[in-house]
Amino acid sequence: EVQLVESGGGLVQPGGSLRLSCAASGFIFSSYWMIWVRQAPGKGLEWVANIKQDGSEKYYVDSVKGRFTISRDNAKNSLLLQMNSLRAEDTAVYFCARGGFYAEDPFDCWGQGALVTVSS
Amino acid sequence: DIVMTQSPDSLAVSLGERATINCKSSQSVLYSSTNNNYLGWYQQKPGQPPKLLIYWASTRESGVPDRFSGSGSGTDFTLTISSLQAEDVAVYYCQQYYSTPYTFGQGTKLEI
Repeated sequence: EVQLVESGGGLVQPGGSLRLSCAASGFIFSSYWMIWVRQAPGKGLEWVANIKQDGSEKYYVDSVKGRFTISRDNAKNSLLLQMNSLRAEDTAVYFCARGGFYAEDPFDCWGQGALVTVSS
Repeated sequence: DIVMTQSPDSLAVSLGERATINCKSSQSVLYSSTNNNYLGWYQQKPGQPPKLLIYWASTRESGVPDRFSGSGSGTDFTLTISSLQAEDVAVYYCQQYYSTPYTFGQGTKLEI
């Protein structure tokens, strides 16, 4: 069974940092693009970043460029999101999702999400 | 950026009746070399992550009931639920994965 489990969420002050992890199982992790999507409380979905199978390509939404870094550890079947200089508007549930062989593939499996709250 | 606009924002449909949700993209998401529309539909129930229902605009994901169907091409797309069931109450999102940033519609809340 394909499974994605996020961890690392929590409360952080504005300007602070947090690192999210996503543990993948049930599929060959190194064969898929992986994605982070977020959802602010009561709001819609926003794609945040994605990363190629070997980590050689990474793309970000403009609002997080220079502050967030997506990475992966294929040996540990793990996807990471390092979030620095956090702002109140980064408050959201962050979902890890699986893409496909190509960047332009649908997101066919999602984790349950990790809540990040940025507040003083 | 490609802007995705859904209509309506909310929809109330009786059990067993048809529900139709529309999605319009600000530019075409049809890739000519593959003849595929890079458009997906997701269902999100309260407290749950989104679930992929339809991809390539009209291909049903494995395990999705056949009362769900997708249609359209280029910039105009539709998700149809042919006979609404109680478990279909959710928010539905369209999404383009044609180019980054991969953008979602604002969501359509479907109620009975």
